[in-house]
Amino acid sequence: DIVMTQSPDSLAVSLGERATINCKSSRNVLYSSNNKNYLAWYQQKPGQPPQLVLSWASIRESGVPDRFSGSGSGTDFTLTISSLQAEDVAVYYCQQHYTTPWTFGQGTKVEIK
Amino acid sequence: EVQLVESGGGLVQPGGSLRLSCVGSGCTFSGYWMHWVRQAPGKGLVWVSRIDSVGGTRSYADSVKGRFTISRDNAKDTVFLLMSSLRADDTAVYYCACEAPTGLFWGQGIHVTVSS
Repeated sequence: DIVMTQSPDSLAVSLGERATINCKSSRNVLYSSNNKNYLAWYQQKPGQPPQLVLSWASIRESGVPDRFSGSGSGTDFTLTISSLQAEDVAVYYCQQHYTTPWTFGQGTKVEIK
Repeated sequence: EVQLVESGGGLVQPGGSLRLSCVGSGCTFSGYWMHWVRQAPGKGLVWVSRIDSVGGTRSYADSVKGRFTISRDNAKDTVFLLMSSLRADDTAVYYCACEAPTGLFWGQGIHVTVSS
C-alpha cells in the first residue's frame, strides 16, 4: 500500500499569516501517460464530512478561495493557505488515488494562534 | 450539486451484521464509481471499499476483506455496504463518496457502533 505521511500533525497560525502543510507519498503518484499527480487535498471541519479542496495536487475546486494553493509532484506535495482566515480552521488530509487501496495522510489540524 | 444520503447505521453487537445504504444524486450516479470511507472517533479517514459504475469491479481494504460486501442498484441510485462479523474496531462514521475525475464527493456520514 502507498503510505501518505503529513507534517506537521498540527499547527497554529495567526490570522492573516501563512499555513503550510506537507504530504509525502511512499511511492510516486505521478501518472506518466497524462502527467497528472493523483493527489487530492480535503478539508474537514468539525462535525462535517470532508470536502475536496484541491485536485491533481494543485487545481482548486470550484468555490475554493484563491488563498489555497497546492504544489509538488511525484512523492512530495504541499498545501498552502496564504492568509489564514477563521473559517479555514479544520483538519486537512492528502489522499492518493493512483492505486487501490486509496490511502489518506493522517491529517493536519490547523488552528488559530 | 452532489447529494449523498447514508442510512442503516446504529448499534450492533460484536459478530453481528449491518447493511448501510447510500442514495445519491448529482453524481450522474450510474456513471460513477462509488466508495465507502470510514472514520473512527477522533481518528483520520480510512478507505474501505469501492465499486465500479456497473458493479463488476469491487475492491476492499485488507481490514474488511471477507467481511464486507459492496454492491449497487443503479435503478435506485443506491450503493450498499453489507458488513458482517463486525468487531469493536469497526466502530466509525461511515461515509459514502462519489468518485469524480478530480476526487471524492462525500455524504454526511452515518454512525456505526459495535458494542455489547
